Amino acid sequence: SQTIHQWPATLVQPVGSPLSLECTVEGTSNPNLYWYRQAAGRGLQLLFYSIGIDQISSEVPQNLSASRPQDRQFILSSKKLLLSDSGFYLCAWSVPTQRGRHEQFFGPGTRLTVL
Amino acid sequence: AQKITQTQPGMFVQEKEAVTLDCTYDTSDQSYGLFWYKQPSSGEMIFLIYQGSYDEQNATEGRYSLNFQKARKSANLVISASQLGDSAMYFCAMREGKRWNNNDMRFGAGTRLTVKP
Repeated sequence: SQTIHQWPATLVQPVGSPLSLECTVEGTSNPNLYWYRQAAGRGLQLLFYSIGIDQISSEVPQNLSASRPQDRQFILSSKKLLLSDSGFYLCAWSVPTQRGRHEQFFGPGTRLTVL
Repeated sequence: AQKITQTQPGMFVQEKEAVTLDCTYDTSDQSYGLFWYKQPSSGEMIFLIYQGSYDEQNATEGRYSLNFQKARKSANLVISASQLGDSAMYFCAMREGKRWNNNDMRFGAGTRLTVKP
């Protein structure tokens, strides 16, 4: 069965510090991977998605970046965090088939607080 | 432009009663998929139900059913026999056909459902 992991679960970082959040998927090959951010009490905002190794598309221009060094590893980074980067970060995966439901399966999330 | 609209920020329902959570969407694609997710206070996103644009029948999954009205572009979630554990945020989402190769979804702002004992 497939599982998705995210770490750390919670993180408190000062403004201007770097960031690295990691997401790994087990039990599937060549998944589509996604990073979302959810501000407190709000919906999900798609940040990045990836259809393969080193293939990253950005949805929102900002000080965040994403990388996919391995098939089932997706990393969200920042060189200098802003206060507005605080939120709940969710990683998700889906199976890239042309037909079908393509539902996304989410990880447990990382709660980031920037002070 | 907003692709998914959930007009109810919060809803209350009595335990054991049914509740409808509204969702309208905007797309020019003929092929698309509609999803509902549940987010408890723990934060995890749980997939509930799916409706394809070409599906002739409304989707059902246990106590969840989707009232799909294609002409009105609405995909309301109906939860029957509400339970206390149904209290959570509920998100409607859409995947548009022209982006099938990316499979990304757009989410609504969510509705917070509270089930009263």
